[in-house]
Amino acid sequence: GDSVTQMEGPVTLSEEAFLTINCTYTATGYPSLFWYVQYPGEGLQLLLKATKADDKGSNKGFEATYRKETTSFHLEKGSVQVSDSAVYFCALIEPYNNNDMRFGAGTRLTVKP
Amino acid sequence: DTAVSQTPKYLVTQMGNDKSIKCEQNLGHDTMYWYKQDSKKFLKIMFSYNNKELIINETVPNRFSPKSPDKAHLNLHINSLELGDSAVYFCASSPSTSTDTQYFGPGTRLTVL
Repeated sequence: GDSVTQMEGPVTLSEEAFLTINCTYTATGYPSLFWYVQYPGEGLQLLLKATKADDKGSNKGFEATYRKETTSFHLEKGSVQVSDSAVYFCALIEPYNNNDMRFGAGTRLTVKP
Repeated sequence: DTAVSQTPKYLVTQMGNDKSIKCEQNLGHDTMYWYKQDSKKFLKIMFSYNNKELIINETVPNRFSPKSPDKAHLNLHINSLELGDSAVYFCASSPSTSTDTQYFGPGTRLTVL
């Protein structure tokens, strides 16, 4: 079945460091891919998404490129801030499959000043 | 205006009790979901409803019963609460089953004592 694997955390970085959170997926078709972010004590917010191969999703300085050949959707940011501290979830959904969204386990990011 | 809202935000109760969590969305979406997030932040879908009809029902104890009085509401009723039910429960909605992005509520933290 469909599944998402993301790098285990926690990840601790200093402010202005480069961030990569790896995400790979397994799917039978051509899924849409997402990154959601959960700030402390809050619900999930959509961070970015990509719906087809080679698409790049971007938002708030974060980017991820849909790589079909490596079945990956790694999240990157060039310079993290303390306010980026949160849990990040990679997810996929196969359209026309009843919107059954599959999430990765989540990666906790802590950015220190 | 809150797009997807849940009540209550926190719920603390004794084992064996019956409780309900309410969810409402004002986005005009056709599809609504319930997810459970455990203590390790792992997110798992429980139910999905489209236009008040059940379309996903993952392996969830039958003590959990979703109810959708109209397409803007999807409530979760839990009978005979157990310690293992302690988790954060998220409601979400999406425009339809053929559209992918899901919008999440703020979550309800359930603690069973």
